[in-house]
Amino acid sequence: GQQLNQSPQSMFIQEGEDVSMNCTSSSIFNTWLWYKQDPGEGPVLLIALYKAGELTSNGRLTAQFGITRKDSFLNISASIPSDVGIYFCAGQSPSGSARQLTFGSGTQLTVLP
Amino acid sequence: EAGVAQSPRYKIIEKRQSVAFWCNPISGHATLYWYQQILGQGPKLLIQFQNNGVVDDSQLPKDRFSAERLKGVDSTLKIQPAKLEDSAVYLCASNPSGSNEQFFGPGTRLTVL
Repeated sequence: GQQLNQSPQSMFIQEGEDVSMNCTSSSIFNTWLWYKQDPGEGPVLLIALYKAGELTSNGRLTAQFGITRKDSFLNISASIPSDVGIYFCAGQSPSGSARQLTFGSGTQLTVLP
Repeated sequence: EAGVAQSPRYKIIEKRQSVAFWCNPISGHATLYWYQQILGQGPKLLIQFQNNGVVDDSQLPKDRFSAERLKGVDSTLKIQPAKLEDSAVYLCASNPSGSNEQFFGPGTRLTVL
């Protein structure tokens, strides 16, 4: 099946800094989703991307669907303490079962005061 | 709108015992998923339902795992007998027809001793 390589695995940043994380795949996807998971909770959808080249923002978050359809990145600007958590990318393959998502292994973000 | 509900939130059992998890998706969501999330990894799909029918259970260890969604609304996932490696968070998600965006419940954290 498809595999997503998500990097970095973890990040330690100072409050106020910008951060970027990305996902790459060996096969194409027709949808990219970015989720955030807080301890003891389920993933919460942050941004959904549906077209190659699409750039979408949600507050301080910006995500892009790569032109090759094999990658996506998420940027967080001016980080704040509540940004702490694990960020997951997820992709839907055009050849896979309807609506199924493949998840990356996550980026653990720590924001230092 | 109420989110995806799951219970229990935590469960501790001994190996070889049985356990069941319950999920109630968002009202009107036809598609329901069960995921297994091992510590430090992204969610991995176990089974997908469309209404009361199974769309994909290819990654469900059927010798010990079973799931049902008899009336096409809530669902149960059972493990019998449990093994140590089943220790994980079990997440339920749902999405409305025509959408790729999955909404997750808070999960059930299972510890097998």
